[in-house]
Amino acid sequence: GNSVTQMEGPVTLSEEAFLTINCTYTATGYPSLFWYVQYPGEGLQLLLKATKADDKGSNKGFEATYRKETTSFHLEKGSVQVSDSAVYFCALRGSNYQLIWGAGTKLIIKP
Amino acid sequence: DAMVIQNPRYQVTQFGKPVTLSCSQTLNHNVMYWYQQKSSQAPKLLFHYYDKDFNNEADTPDNFQSRRPNTSFCFLDIRSPGLGDAAMYLCATSALNGQGDSKNQPQHFGDGTRLSIL
Repeated sequence: GNSVTQMEGPVTLSEEAFLTINCTYTATGYPSLFWYVQYPGEGLQLLLKATKADDKGSNKGFEATYRKETTSFHLEKGSVQVSDSAVYFCALRGSNYQLIWGAGTKLIIKP
Repeated sequence: DAMVIQNPRYQVTQFGKPVTLSCSQTLNHNVMYWYQQKSSQAPKLLFHYYDKDFNNEADTPDNFQSRRPNTSFCFLDIRSPGLGDAAMYLCATSALNGQGDSKNQPQHFGDGTRLSIL
């Protein structure tokens, strides 16, 4: 079946550091891939998405590239800010309605 | 502008006392979902509506019910809340693509209702 594996957190970085949060997936066919962000006490917000191989999703300085050869969708940002502190979820959607979620990675940015 | 609105943001109820959580959307999306989320874990899908068609997840307790009276509104009813039902409840919507499925459509979430059980 479909599954998503994210790196365990928390990930703690200093402001302006480079961020990578790894995400790999197992799926049949050609799923769509998503990154969601959840700030403390809030719901989930779509951060970016990619719907086919080699697509790059980007938003708010974050990027992720759909790599079918490595079944990965790693999230990157060149220079993080304290305001990026949140929980980040990688998710995939296959041929049905359901989103398959990673476990989430808590990101802590220190000033 | 809020597009998926959940009310209330915080709900306190007593053990065993029925409670209803509300969700409305201004996106006119066909599909609506209810999730349960505990302690920043991944959300757990409880059920979803594809238009008026109700789809229950196999492991959703019978204690949880839902109603969707029209496209815009969806309700989560917890008939007899237990202590283990204390959680964040998230409502989400998604559109359909030209082929009538939601494969490449993101889900749009409300801010959630945090439910506490006394």
